[in-house]
Amino acid sequence: EADIYQTPRYLVIGTGKKITLECSQTMGHDKMYWYQQDPGMELHLIHYSYGVNSTEKGDLSSESTVSRIRTEHFPLTLESARPSHTSQYLCASSGGQGNTGELFFGEGSRLTVL
Amino acid sequence: GQQLNQSPQSMFIQEGEDVSMNCTSSSIFNTWLWYKQDPGEGPVLLIALYKAGELTSNGRLTAQFGITRKDSFLNISASIPSDVGIYFCAGSYNNNDMRFGAGTRLTVKP
Repeated sequence: EADIYQTPRYLVIGTGKKITLECSQTMGHDKMYWYQQDPGMELHLIHYSYGVNSTEKGDLSSESTVSRIRTEHFPLTLESARPSHTSQYLCASSGGQGNTGELFFGEGSRLTVL
Repeated sequence: GQQLNQSPQSMFIQEGEDVSMNCTSSSIFNTWLWYKQDPGEGPVLLIALYKAGELTSNGRLTAQFGITRKDSFLNISASIPSDVGIYFCAGSYNNNDMRFGAGTRLTVKP
């Protein structure tokens, strides 16, 4: 069973608010990822990290930012939320001993911006 | 970045029927993964494949790593209502740059 946790699970906020989606994993994985997914649609990689102090932008342009100060923690921040940011955000991690490349996903954070 | 080609996009089947879906890529992979996602949840790993030609089962699920290393398929036998969900394939080369298919949306009618 994957030990990767996301909070909040659901968030409804007004336009212009700053929000941070939290993601933590207890598996000691080096690599962490953020995907954006509209309901029932494909996954789009928006950010990834290969370790502490490493962050990269993914395939889909995003106005969000990320940080990786600790191995287990990879928060995603939106400085000023807009309705177009309404989506589900999935955090994932991979790596550790005997790295098989498998990604383990959190349960997701469903964001609604009014 | 390049996505995988996953088909079919959606399937509507009767309970008890078998299901087959596949993924193809223009580049070779050495890892193929199959995930299932229930509504409102994150994807959960079903089967992982690491060798060309490898055939692996997980209960009623069977997946194969294509000989060319550019494709993989997933079969579900004797489908049941709880098989409903979105199935994603994913592939990578040397554990870098995991690519996902667009998903196959499965509906099972009782």
